[in-house]
Order: sequence, then C-alpha cells, then structure tokens
Amino acid sequence: DAKTTQPPSMDCAEGRAANLPCNHSTISGNEYVYWYRQIHSQGPQYIIHGLKNNETNEMASLIITEDRKSSTLILPHATLRDTAVYYCIVRVAGYGGSQGNLIFGKGTKLSVKP
Amino acid sequence: EAQVTQNPRYLITVTGKKLTVTCSQNMNHEYMSWYRQDPGLGLRQIYYSMNVEVTDKGDVPEGYKVSRKEKRNFPLILESPSPNQTSLYFCASSPTPSPGRGRTEAFFGQGTRLTVV
Repeated sequence: DAKTTQPPSMDCAEGRAANLPCNHSTISGNEYVYWYRQIHSQGPQYIIHGLKNNETNEMASLIITEDRKSSTLILPHATLRDTAVYYCIVRVAGYGGSQGNLIFGKGTKLSVKP
Repeated sequence: EAQVTQNPRYLITVTGKKLTVTCSQNMNHEYMSWYRQDPGLGLRQIYYSMNVEVTDKGDVPEGYKVSRKEKRNFPLILESPSPNQTSLYFCASSPTPSPGRGRTEAFFGQGTRLTVV
C-alpha cells in the first residue's frame, strides 16, 4: 500500500501557483519524498525529490515540513499542459532489490483551467 | 535524447498467442523494470532487473517472463496471454545511485496498450 495520502482532485487557474499537498505521517528517517506526474496515459515523469530540506528545480518546488510528516509540491505558474495526475511517493533513495519499486497511490488529478 | 523506447505502442492479440513487448534505453542505466497500470489499481511492478542477467519478481509477476541479456534491453514476454493481462504497460529505467552520483529518478517509456481477446 502507498504510504502517502493525497486529495483525489484539485483545480487551479492558469498562471496561478498550484499547491499540491501530501501527507506521509509514517515516513522513516532514510526515506525521501518523490513526486511524479502522469499526463493522460503517458509514462510517469519525474518532477522532484527531497529528504528534509526544501528543493527547487526548473519544474517545481518541494516544501517539506520540519517534522517531515507532510509536504507540498508547488508549480509556480501552472499552464494547461500541467494538467495531470500527480503522485507523491515515499521511498529510500537506493535501488537495492525491491527498493526500486515505486509504489504509486491514486495521486491527485490536477486540472488547470483557462 | 535520453529516452526509454517501448514497442509496440498498441497491440491487440488473441488468448494464448505468445508475444513480446520490447524495451530499450539509451542512458546506460543498470536498473530496469516493468509496470502495468489498471483502472483503480494504479501502477504495479511486474519484474525488475538490477543489471545484466539479474532479474527478479515484482508484485505481480504471474504470467510474465523477462530477460536481460544486454544492458540496454529488457523485453517483457507473455508466453500465453489471457484477457486479464489486458492493460497499459510501462517500462522504466534508473541509474544505480552511489555517493556523488546524480539524481536517481526513474525514466518511463511511453507505454504499450495491450488488449487480449
């Protein structure tokens, strides 16, 4: 079972920031928070990951609470092309054995509207 | 361009007719895996491979075989497909992380939609 809880759906106006929450209250000290998205039925796409510090890249920002029990993915200026299902995944960073298995939950369906 | 390529993208076949879905990556990744995606069940791992000649079962391996004779290729084989294997299949690859290594995210192919009638 997925170790994360996400809202099933969210709407966002085009050009506005999209803030996608994720709860992971049972996260372990060596587990990272990863975010992927899936546009329609395409292959999932990596967005960002972090351990405890906030992270930013060209796609998004990741804010992790101090107790690491929740996080927020921020798309600063959402466009129509950001409409997708966003998955928050908690896992160790390595790929030893079954650690490579990404446990995808149901994710959040983000709809960006004009 | 770094990519994972699956073929075919769409396939309709009949029960019992052996088929192979190919997967190739050009990033020299050690780790490769196969997932299937079904409505209401999400993505589930079928098989994975940590390197050449090293494969292992994922969560839903029944009815599937894989091989890893070359680093870049990881074909998925259905010896005797059945209708319950109708699904959307994804291949993924990742580098093995090590200190100082870059990101360890997974790269996914575009998917193969398989229908078994």
